[in-house]
Amino acid sequence: GQNIDQPTEMTATEGAIVQINCTYQTSGFNGLFWYQQHAGEAPTFLSYNVLDGLEEKGRFSSFLSRSKGYSYLLLKELQMKDSASYLCAGTLYGQNFVFGPGTRLSVLP
Amino acid sequence: NAGVMQNPRHLVRRRGQEARLRCSPMKGHSHVYWYRQLPEEGLKFMVYLQKENIIDESGMPKERFSAEFPKEGPSILRIQQVVRGDSAAYFCASSPGGEDTDTQYFGPGTRLTVL
Repeated sequence: GQNIDQPTEMTATEGAIVQINCTYQTSGFNGLFWYQQHAGEAPTFLSYNVLDGLEEKGRFSSFLSRSKGYSYLLLKELQMKDSASYLCAGTLYGQNFVFGPGTRLSVLP
Repeated sequence: NAGVMQNPRHLVRRRGQEARLRCSPMKGHSHVYWYRQLPEEGLKFMVYLQKENIIDESGMPKERFSAEFPKEGPSILRIQQVVRGDSAAYFCASSPGGEDTDTQYFGPGTRLTVL
């Protein structure tokens, strides 16, 4: 089946680096997306990985290992506004997204 | 280029009433997806539609829920005879072509409260 796991909550300090892990157990995933969702708002697109390796985009980077069914989102130079839920989602052949439960990140001063 | 539009943003219904949620995809997008998000939980896929076609409704409850995406006008998610457990945020997303590599862009959501 399709199963995506993420830690439920994480806490980090302003200015620090945090890594949010995502593991998935399926042979059908064709790519992995990361979204950011602030409380009460819509998810917004952060990154997409289809090939193994690291994709860097400003303060945010995303990594994928297809053979290990593993991805992470790396946030550098944390800011208070980065406090949000971070959703890992796999795309199945057939266009449907399967979302993980989300990781709620709290950035403390 | 306007983003994905959803209305209403908030909807209150009493048990047994009908709820109609609307979604207009981004300009140029012909694929629409509906998701439900319960408080403190992740997004759950409900249904995937193209114009006039339901492609995948595997996440849709078998009763009381229906969705359409007519040739003209927005996509509609309809919930008949609502119950308290239907209270949730309903998000619509759209993508341009339906490729599994396409990014889905989300609307602001409709928050349904059933009294």
